[in-house]
Amino acid sequence: ETGVTQSPTHLIKTRGQQVTLRCSSQSGHNTVSWYQQALGQGPQFIFQYYREEENGRGNFPPRFSGLQFPNYSSELNVNALELDDSALYLCASSLDRANEQFFGPGTRLTVL
Amino acid sequence: GENVEQHPSTLSVQEGDSAVIKCTYSDSASNYFPWYKQELGKRPQLIIDIRSNVGEKKDQRIAVTLNKTAKHFSLHITETQPEDSAVYFCAAEFGNEKLTFGTGTRLTIIP
Repeated sequence: ETGVTQSPTHLIKTRGQQVTLRCSSQSGHNTVSWYQQALGQGPQFIFQYYREEENGRGNFPPRFSGLQFPNYSSELNVNALELDDSALYLCASSLDRANEQFFGPGTRLTVL
Repeated sequence: GENVEQHPSTLSVQEGDSAVIKCTYSDSASNYFPWYKQELGKRPQLIIDIRSNVGEKKDQRIAVTLNKTAKHFSLHITETQPEDSAVYFCAAEFGNEKLTFGTGTRLTIIP
């Protein structure tokens, strides 16, 4: 069984740039959720993808977008980066939107 | 709104003693409550979870209790060990399998 993986591990961008983060779900899982974790805080839900469709969204602006591919891997795209977007971005995979979510190692994004 | 409050924010416990972390949630419709452990620089790891049709669940030294009427749930760690030192997050599911997390408890086990 393959666990959840994310790439890249670290990323440094400047304000106004765009970024794409990638997530490969655990083997057999068809649901991916994305979270933003600021330093010292709990993860905050961005959105969830189930079978290539968005299945719920948190309180994040439209410049946060995503997609899920037929192999259930997923991307998170952030446009017009702001300093406050600096955070650890986590994806979590689950089976059939089941509650048990397993996290990847995260991508540390720094916006300068 | 959807909210999860977690207390305490920091907790220091002598090795071998018990640790208790408490959370309250706002939506009575929530029916899934996981707990995650996050070590420094690592991913959150699911350590135990409970669903609303159960009042208590135990897994070796870890137990979770749920009081749906009062809308609170707690994590209990017994016989604490140095490797239990980490940040612990509670969470509640608020529809659409969306998890809302608490603000975390930094647990330190004193040898």
